[in-house]
Amino acid sequence: GAGVSQSPRYKVAKRGQDVALRCDPISGHVSLFWYQQALGQGPEFLTYFQNEAQLDKSGLPSDRFFAERPEGSVSTLKIQRTQQEDSAVYLCASSLAGEKLFFGSGTQLSVL
Amino acid sequence: QKEVEQDPGPLSVPEGAIVSLNCTYSNSAFQYFMWYRQYSRKGPELLMYTYSSGNKEDGRFTAQVDKSSKYISLFIRDSQPSDSATYLCAMKGAAGNKLTFGGGTRVLVKP
Repeated sequence: GAGVSQSPRYKVAKRGQDVALRCDPISGHVSLFWYQQALGQGPEFLTYFQNEAQLDKSGLPSDRFFAERPEGSVSTLKIQRTQQEDSAVYLCASSLAGEKLFFGSGTQLSVL
Repeated sequence: QKEVEQDPGPLSVPEGAIVSLNCTYSNSAFQYFMWYRQYSRKGPELLMYTYSSGNKEDGRFTAQVDKSSKYISLFIRDSQPSDSATYLCAMKGAAGNKLTFGGGTRVLVKP
């Protein structure tokens, strides 16, 4: 595709609900990253995939956060039992070799 | 204290002025340094990418890295209202692919 596509653009969840955020990377990009960006802050690393392998998940804040990329293309970030502190913009980025990242517009998650 | 510090601004300048942005960092393992521009409700867009110390110029943008001082800068010449955005510095070490971002500086260029 022309760029990294994320859906939905906005998600409102009640506290305790599960959510799933989707990322379609640029075609052919091997590396895929998830970042979390709180209001007025810079993005914070969550996890990294090379093809279908999750090579680094050190940034996931708790075991309620889970990411997968089963076929090495589309990725899903799942958050179970959402809490108010999970409210943020979730950014997906892809790259050919992990150097220069191309970001999507993000999913803005609001937990009420 | 955060690994990468960046003044949040806002930094307001008149059109045509030079915009000067900077970041300081504490991790001496950082080797690759980037500047991203982020418009409201959009993802970050890569502007400049540099390795180790030195200067790099691309059009109206100049990036400087001083590893001895753990200090990086971005200069925007002949600023335009369309340059109004948040500018994020980011960096990473030689190993791994995780980027560490600064908090961003909001820039306003007034016509």
